[in-house]
Amino acid sequence: GAVVSQHPSWVICKSGTSVKIECRSLDFQATTMFWYRQFPKQSLMLMATSNEGSKATYEQGVEKDKFLINHASLTLSTLTVTSAHPEDSSFYICSARDHLSGGKTQYFGPGTRLLVL
Amino acid sequence: GNSVTQMEGPVTLSEEAFLTINCTYTATGYPSLFWYVQYPGEGLQLLLKATKADDKGSNKGFEATYRKETTSFHLEKGSVQVSDSAVYFCALSEPAGNQFYFGTGTSLTVIP
Repeated sequence: GAVVSQHPSWVICKSGTSVKIECRSLDFQATTMFWYRQFPKQSLMLMATSNEGSKATYEQGVEKDKFLINHASLTLSTLTVTSAHPEDSSFYICSARDHLSGGKTQYFGPGTRLLVL
Repeated sequence: GNSVTQMEGPVTLSEEAFLTINCTYTATGYPSLFWYVQYPGEGLQLLLKATKADDKGSNKGFEATYRKETTSFHLEKGSVQVSDSAVYFCALSEPAGNQFYFGTGTSLTVIP
């Protein structure tokens, strides 16, 4: 089946630093990737849709200058949390659509847990 | 608009009990429907899916049938195991497939 990886799986950083999270589709091409945020015991909140070769589309209330998204290739999207603060601590999950199979299913990465001190 | 409503948890069952997690949806078109499972500390894994009315998705003993007349996609398993303890999310994808709408998740704990 389709596999999506995320790196790192865990990151702890100091307040004010920037953190980059990578999302890769390992065995398929993904023209569209999605970034979600999940708070403890809650559902996923879509942050933005990342399209290969173009600007990301952000959901209402998500600061695009805070959460920088780059989708440079058909297998890689990155999310950079700039000037992170403790309130940015969360579980970040990416997903990707399998472009060639019609793209109706999203495959999720294992998530990245961010803790900002 | 599109939305998904899931039964609230948490749900606690004894091993080998029958499981039902209700899911209903609202959609403007003909969505695809999904169940995802999230084990502690992990991301979401696709459990099963159905792309049109009356389709039955099944995997690992779980099954769900796409019921257009009742706009439902209830998840069932005949005999749960301790290893099934996880959070289950119902989701729909609009026909274009670009955005997913998730339910709030149902936490299942199976006790020996």
